[in-house]
Amino acid sequence: AQSVTQLGSHVSVSEGALVLLRCNYSSSVPPYLFWYVQYPNQGLQLLLKYTTGATLVKGINGFEAEFKKSETSFHLTKPSAHMSDAAEYFCALSGNTGKLIFGQGTTLQVKP
Amino acid sequence: DGGITQSPKYLFRKEGQNVTLSCEQNLNHDAMYWYRQDPGQGLRLIYYSQIVNDFQKGDIAEGYSVSREKKESFPLTVTSAQKNPTAFYLCASSTRQGTDTQYFGPGTRLTVL
Repeated sequence: AQSVTQLGSHVSVSEGALVLLRCNYSSSVPPYLFWYVQYPNQGLQLLLKYTTGATLVKGINGFEAEFKKSETSFHLTKPSAHMSDAAEYFCALSGNTGKLIFGQGTTLQVKP
Repeated sequence: DGGITQSPKYLFRKEGQNVTLSCEQNLNHDAMYWYRQDPGQGLRLIYYSQIVNDFQKGDIAEGYSVSREKKESFPLTVTSAQKNPTAFYLCASSTRQGTDTQYFGPGTRLTVL
C-alpha cells in the first residue's frame, strides 16, 4: 500500500531560522512526490514536484526538497523563514493507483 | 487568466437539504477531482473524473454525487445522506489522471446548521 507520513503536525521556528518539514513515503513503484502549501481558507498551491532525475528539487518562495530513496524521504527545507511562510504544508505522493495520496499536513508557525 | 473557480466561497445548509458546489476550470484539463478537508485529516478524495461523462468513486463517496457533462465543469452535490457534511471542499484538475500535477481551486466551506 502507498502512504505518506508527515512527522510533526505543528512546527514552530523563529523568523530567519531554518525551516525543515519532514515527509516519509511508502510506495512499491517509483513515486512522484509533491509539496503543497495552503494559507487559511484557501486552496492548495504547488511548491515543488519530484518526478525523476535530479534528487534536489527547487520550488517557489525559496523552498527546496531532496528525494532520498534509501530513506524513503522527501523533506522540505528553506534556509531562512519569513513571517509569510506561516501556513499548512502538505506532502503528497502519486504512484501506481493514479491517485494523489496526501499526508496529514504540518502547520508551520513563524515567530518574530 | 487560466484557473479553477469554485462557488460559493461559503455555503450554509439546513439538515436534510441537498446542496451543489460548483467547480469550473479553463485550463483545458481532462481530469478533475473533489476532495474533502477536515482539520487534522489531510485531504480525502471524494470523486474523480478522467473524461467527460465518466467518473469514479474515491475513498469517501458515500453521500455525494457528481456529474461531468462538460470538460470545464465538475459539480459536486452533497446529499442529505451525507451524515457529517460540514467541511472544506476542494476541487482540483490535471491534464490527465495519475502523475500529472493537480491544481486546486480556492475551496468552498460548507456548514450545516
